[in-house]
Amino acid sequence: GNSVTQMEGPVTLSEEAFLTINCTYTATGYPSLFWYVQYPGEGLQLLLKATKADDKGSNKGFEATYRKETTSFHLEKGSVQVSDSAVYFCALPPRTRAGGTSYGKLTFGQGTILTVHP
Amino acid sequence: GAVVSQHPSWVICKSGTSVKIECRSLDFQATTMFWYRQFPKQSLMLMATSNEGSKATYEQGVEKDKFLINHASLTLSTLTVTSAHPEDSSFYICSATLRRTGIDTEAFFGQGTRLTVV
Repeated sequence: GNSVTQMEGPVTLSEEAFLTINCTYTATGYPSLFWYVQYPGEGLQLLLKATKADDKGSNKGFEATYRKETTSFHLEKGSVQVSDSAVYFCALPPRTRAGGTSYGKLTFGQGTILTVHP
Repeated sequence: GAVVSQHPSWVICKSGTSVKIECRSLDFQATTMFWYRQFPKQSLMLMATSNEGSKATYEQGVEKDKFLINHASLTLSTLTVTSAHPEDSSFYICSATLRRTGIDTEAFFGQGTRLTVV
């Protein structure tokens, strides 16, 4: 089955530091890949996604590139802010029996807690 | 993007009572809704998948008689925790997908419900 492995946290950075959160996956074929963010006390929000190999997803200064050679989807940001403090989840969908993709039933990584200090 | 509203945001109940959590898709019809449970500092665990008008599909190890799921309409799914005990205290999150031309789109998450059983 599918699996996602995320860099263990927590990660603590100073404001304006560079951020990398590693994510590797195991899956059949080439699924879409997602990064979700969970701010304190809230549900999850889609941060960015990539639907095929070599695609780069980007949003709010965050980027992640779909690397099929290394089965990775690492999240990066050049200059983090205090407001980026949250939990970040890498995720991928399964393949349905018919070969289609169901985006709802996601497989999540364990989550990485990011704390950014002023 | 599409909005999923979860209610209540937090609830405290006594052991032995039942609690109902609602998940609504506000501006779209959700073909499928998912219920997750999240323990502190851990990832999300999928509990069940509910499709409108049919019985929910529960993940292995999830007690269907304890966690009752009803998906009576395309905009509302409910999770009822029956005879709650302190070990049921957790953060419950729902998500919804909509289907366009036979393909599920990305998942949209509610803000979560913090359940505390005393």
